Amino acid sequence: DGGITQSPKYLFRKEGQNVTLSCEQNLNHDAMYWYRQDPGQGLRLIYYSQIVNDFQKGDIAEGYSVSREKKESFPLTVTSAQKNPTAFYLCASSMSAGGFTDTQYFGPGTRLTVL
Amino acid sequence: AQSVAQPEDQVNVAEGNPLTVKCTYSVSGNPYLFWYVQYPNRGLQFLLKYITGDNLVKGSYGFEAEFNKSQTSFHLKKPSALVSDSALYFCAVRPMDSNYQLIWGAGTKLIIKP
Repeated sequence: DGGITQSPKYLFRKEGQNVTLSCEQNLNHDAMYWYRQDPGQGLRLIYYSQIVNDFQKGDIAEGYSVSREKKESFPLTVTSAQKNPTAFYLCASSMSAGGFTDTQYFGPGTRLTVL
Repeated sequence: AQSVAQPEDQVNVAEGNPLTVKCTYSVSGNPYLFWYVQYPNRGLQFLLKYITGDNLVKGSYGFEAEFNKSQTSFHLKKPSALVSDSALYFCAVRPMDSNYQLIWGAGTKLIIKP
């Protein structure tokens, strides 16, 4: 899992609540990513950030929000507008988003369950 | 539409036998190709990638992958499987016209039986 930490490992949310998932990296990477993983599916990109104070929507951004105030941190908020948030969430980073050959490195993940 | 296919949901191999996990892709131009492994309730670990050059790429834990441009495939291989290789394997492709997006396969569950 390298130098990427995610917390908490397990998170339970009631209907209508917003929750924030933490992602921190000490790899000095410029780019960071949030993915959602559901059983039997590949990873789906939620948001990505190429540089501090900048981020772009991925394929499934509806119901999610992010911020990138520091290079090492990229928190994800799952809002009440996300209709089916139960999933495994993975944070990743790479040296630069513009590096075509850069490898993405992943954190250990957060499993979110809606009660 | 650009896509990655891992045609087998599950692959069963006896310990000590060679293993192959298949990946085919459909993207424009020459892609960059990646393999990752995921153990239960863990993040993904990078195994290897193909950028250019030799079609046979060697990676972590004794794995290797062969890039075949004519068949648009990037199959993952290992000469002798270990029980500890049992995990979920993902193939991913970055098209050359994308500077961030990885297109992911759905994953293949590899089960190595003693």
